[in-house]
Amino acid sequence: AQTVTQSQPEMSVQEAETVTLSCTYDTSESNYYLFWYKQPPSRQMILVIRQEAYKQQNATENRFSVNFQKAAKSFSLKISDSQLGDTAMYFCAFMSDRSGGSNYKLTFGKGTLLTVNP
Amino acid sequence: DTGVSQNPRHKITKRGQNVTFRCDPISEHNRLYWYRQTLGQGPEFLTYFQNEAQLEKSRLLSDRFSAERPKGSFSTLEIQRTEQGDSAMYLCASSPGQGAPDTEAFFGQGTRLTVV
Repeated sequence: AQTVTQSQPEMSVQEAETVTLSCTYDTSESNYYLFWYKQPPSRQMILVIRQEAYKQQNATENRFSVNFQKAAKSFSLKISDSQLGDTAMYFCAFMSDRSGGSNYKLTFGKGTLLTVNP
Repeated sequence: DTGVSQNPRHKITKRGQNVTFRCDPISEHNRLYWYRQTLGQGPEFLTYFQNEAQLEKSRLLSDRFSAERPKGSFSTLEIQRTEQGDSAMYLCASSPGQGAPDTEAFFGQGTRLTVV
């Protein structure tokens, strides 16, 4: 079974600054995907960024980028130029991609509550 | 289509009562998932449908829980004889499911269940 660990229950950052959220995972799978999802207060969870494990290049989406260290099983999220709207719970998640069939369910960490202060 | 819709948004019930939640996925999404999120935890997988077929159930899904997806469209999650430990946010998610791995799940806003 896979496990996802987020060791920072809460973090805060000043508006316009950069913050990094940590995530580690454990798996014996060779093919998988990693994700960061954002859950704003009282709103639905949305995908922030995803990384295919077979790709060495770190994914980037505008102000969001990841540092994927496959050997270390580490997958951190960097948010640059933080905005007030980035305030949310952030979940790191794992999805296996087994050949021969997979239901593509997500395994989530416990989340990091990020507060962006004006 | 405005996304995944879940009803009701909130439900308060007395212990021992039965409750049913509904999820309407994004049109033409073949895969549908139910997750449960308790306070301070990330969502945990409950069950998965590919069209109308329920293909996997988590051990978290006791025999008091049942889920259906008739005709492969909307889904219902029923909890019988509710217990206080069932209090949680129940999330539904859908994805296209057109062969290749779906690398984005679309979530609803959830149904918050409180058992008193």
